[in-house]
Amino acid sequence: ETGVTQTPRHLVMGMTNKKSLKCEQHLGHNAMYWYKQSAKKPLELMFVYNFKEQTENNSVPSRFSPECPNSSHLFLHLHTLQPEDSALYLCASSQDLAGGQETQYFGPGTRLLVL
Amino acid sequence: AQKVTQAQTEISVVEKEDVTLDCVYETRDTTYYLFWYKQPPSGELVFLIRRNSFDEQNEISGRYSWNFQKSTSSFNFTITASQVVDSAVYFCALSDLYNFNKFYFGSGTKLNVKP
Repeated sequence: ETGVTQTPRHLVMGMTNKKSLKCEQHLGHNAMYWYKQSAKKPLELMFVYNFKEQTENNSVPSRFSPECPNSSHLFLHLHTLQPEDSALYLCASSQDLAGGQETQYFGPGTRLLVL
Repeated sequence: AQKVTQAQTEISVVEKEDVTLDCVYETRDTTYYLFWYKQPPSGELVFLIRRNSFDEQNEISGRYSWNFQKSTSSFNFTITASQVVDSAVYFCALSDLYNFNKFYFGSGTKLNVKP
């Protein structure tokens, strides 16, 4: 595997379900990000982790719970979601957070549909 | 405030035409980085270029070229002799040096290249 991978690629869940999205980066990076991309909206940054520590929580509802067990893996645990949470969830990684110059490399995303 | 504006929501061209995608940014910083990404229908954001604020030289990579003008706060992207495979949504982004490498994305320009 190369780059940034995400599983599953597609997910349909009910509002009472609990599911998790997984992201893995094979680039040796130290920072990882979760973004939400809804139809006709700009990409929204949700969470940022650097060296496994959360550095940013962009006012995300608690029904989204991130986990970063190591610098290569990032999870997004989902529970009691709402239909408006249906979106493409993108994971990204960068070498670190130094000086805003680090290119972010993205995975293919998970298309989530909440019924 | 940090902001990126891509005023062109959607552009349609016929194959082999040249097309320019506009990007205008606002920043409080004297040092900053600008990026372009391509998002094909598969969903993954593909990194195209990174440019720092001190380098105003235009860049060319094959059929792609970028025109960075600090005087007008613009970072425009031109595709020469467009091809059907160029059909995608293109995003311009500005990074924040003082806020965890946070990216401010424009709303994207959807490019349709017709055969």
